[in-house]
Amino acid sequence: RKEVEQDPGPFNVPEGATVAFNCTYSNSASQSFFWYRQDCRKEPKLLMSVYSSGNEDGRFTAQLNRASQYISLLIRDSKLSDSATYLCAGRPGSARQLTFGSGTQLTVLP
Amino acid sequence: EAQVTQNPRYLITVTGKKLTVTCSQNMNHEYMSWYRQDPGLGLRQIYYSMNVEVTDKGDVPEGYKVSRKEKRNFPLILESPSPNQTSLYFCASSLGPVRAQSFNNEKLFFGSGTQLSVL
Repeated sequence: RKEVEQDPGPFNVPEGATVAFNCTYSNSASQSFFWYRQDCRKEPKLLMSVYSSGNEDGRFTAQLNRASQYISLLIRDSKLSDSATYLCAGRPGSARQLTFGSGTQLTVLP
Repeated sequence: EAQVTQNPRYLITVTGKKLTVTCSQNMNHEYMSWYRQDPGLGLRQIYYSMNVEVTDKGDVPEGYKVSRKEKRNFPLILESPSPNQTSLYFCASSLGPVRAQSFNNEKLFFGSGTQLSVL
């Protein structure tokens, strides 16, 4: 089983919709979760850190559910410019580096 | 401007011809890393470095070499490239080292990528 898993999608949603992605992790001792955004064939860019208490940045909300071992990303009022691949990342246990999921592809349709 | 600079952006080569992909960061980051990205497999770590002269294998190190002689540079070397190394490569850096609840230390900054094709 992969340490970090995501539904690859694609998710096709209309403009203005609310969409949520989940990312599950296998190591219960995992710490330090992040969401990255990647446009086609370009470098991933940090979208949000995921704090234990959850955090919000404008239309984006990230949450951590340790009991069920997943993190989530909620995007409200989707814009065409939100179309991208969203990668989750976590640091398993005492590991020194992040492990990335395979990414979830989102397309926001006009 | 704070950035991670990778070169070249595109590279086409033939099997067995040694090549180097350069990576440089100007943020005084301790931690640097190389990833390859393939369809359906996501980002997989090749090698990483916690500081100068300290390098470690990631998940897929076979066929690659790295060096960290200076803090800012972390080149990726393919001594004898093979077609299965055709991929999109990313260099990344972060403040490092990992500390509890130190999200800022772990935030990765990526270079713009190198698309490598080995024929």
